[in-house]
Amino acid sequence: GENVEQHPSTLSVQEGDSAVIKCTYSDSASNYFPWYKQELGKGPQLIIDIRSNVGEKKDQRIAVTLNKTAKHFSLHITETQPEDSAVYFCAASPPTGNQFYFGTGTSLTVIP
Amino acid sequence: GAGVSQSPSNKVTEKGKDVELRCDPISGHTALYWYRQSLGQGLEFLIYFQGNSAPDKSGLPSDRFSAERTGGSVSTLTIQRTQQEDSAVYLCASSWSGQLGTEAFFGQGTRLTVV
Repeated sequence: GENVEQHPSTLSVQEGDSAVIKCTYSDSASNYFPWYKQELGKGPQLIIDIRSNVGEKKDQRIAVTLNKTAKHFSLHITETQPEDSAVYFCAASPPTGNQFYFGTGTSLTVIP
Repeated sequence: GAGVSQSPSNKVTEKGKDVELRCDPISGHTALYWYRQSLGQGLEFLIYFQGNSAPDKSGLPSDRFSAERTGGSVSTLTIQRTQQEDSAVYLCASSWSGQLGTEAFFGQGTRLTVV
């Protein structure tokens, strides 16, 4: 089955700096890659996603890039703010869509 | 409601008891997923429902775990003879379709504590 690895496990940045979280996947058939933000005591919230026919997608301060050849994708957050502090999970989904394979999460802390 | 709703939000139960966790998906969503998240860990897949198809139960950790989805909407996850290692947050998600990479939206989860 699919195996998703996520790095780093923890990340601290100064407010205003950029944050980058990287994930790799093993199944070349995976074609959908969502990113979730999880705040303490809450369920994961979908923040951005990318499909395999696209190399990059941007939504205001967040962007995701996908390299299908290398089988890795990354989340980029620019101009970080304290409210960006949370745990971020990447995921990969095969065409069957029967489940999402999640990375182990990155705890992001934005220092004011 | 507009989102996925789970109940109860918290459940404390004694070891050996059975528990039922409920998930109300977003109206019209045909796909429903259950995941488990242990403290400080990632999300572990449990079970997937898609329309009237047979569910994908490949993630259920033991035969003490079962789930059903009535009428293609509400789902119930049942854990029989609970053990302490069952303590975790149980998350439900739904999507318009499980095919072709459609967005899945999660509920707030049920925090289960087995004492």
